[in-house]
Amino acid sequence: GAVVSQHPSWVICKSGTSVKIECRSLDFQATTMFWYRQFPKQSLMLMATSNEGSKATYEQGVEKDKFLINHASLTLSTLTVTSAHPEDSSFYICSAKTESSYNSPLHFGNGTRLTVT
Amino acid sequence: AQSVAQPEDQVNVAEGNPLTVKCTYSVSGNPYLFWYVQYPNRGLQFLLKYITGDNLVKGSYGFEAEFNKSQTSFHLKKPSALVSDSALYFCADYGGSARQLTFGSGTQLTVLP
Repeated sequence: GAVVSQHPSWVICKSGTSVKIECRSLDFQATTMFWYRQFPKQSLMLMATSNEGSKATYEQGVEKDKFLINHASLTLSTLTVTSAHPEDSSFYICSAKTESSYNSPLHFGNGTRLTVT
Repeated sequence: AQSVAQPEDQVNVAEGNPLTVKCTYSVSGNPYLFWYVQYPNRGLQFLLKYITGDNLVKGSYGFEAEFNKSQTSFHLKKPSALVSDSALYFCADYGGSARQLTFGSGTQLTVLP
């Protein structure tokens, strides 16, 4: 149980275009999902917390107009990287919890490798 | 604020030998500690957590971790390493009223055949 599906697993796009990444909870409802960014051989950096039916909460230093998050249903959150640039190339990972308690474990998608040329 | 530290970037161990991946936490209220594993180009997989109770926590794939309050540590252990255990391991913490999981810098474990 507790499967989080992320799509696509990898994407290559040209500079200036936009890319949408989907994160789905397949067998549970997730009122909250989390989006992380990971650079090679580094830890995960929380970008934003996605809340179903309301605006996402962005971490300091993350451009909300560049990384658009939509959490329209209890099983789907999307991250759109707008006007992508090569420096946006990274590994993006989403996660969700099956329980609302803050000490319940996160379940992660398999990540999306974004390369901007 | 709560945080975790992983002092070793890389740990090498021979197959069949016991392994330890170290994690220490800073003290600020009650720690809620987690271990996750990440295989190449994949998301993280939950291994185990410590909330309260027994200091020795058993998790997935034969891993366990010992919560040591006096040393503020939560080291991950396995009695006999497998080559397939080679991966990136992250310690993480939810501290007190923190609303997010904070990850350590990660430790690359390589099990040599």
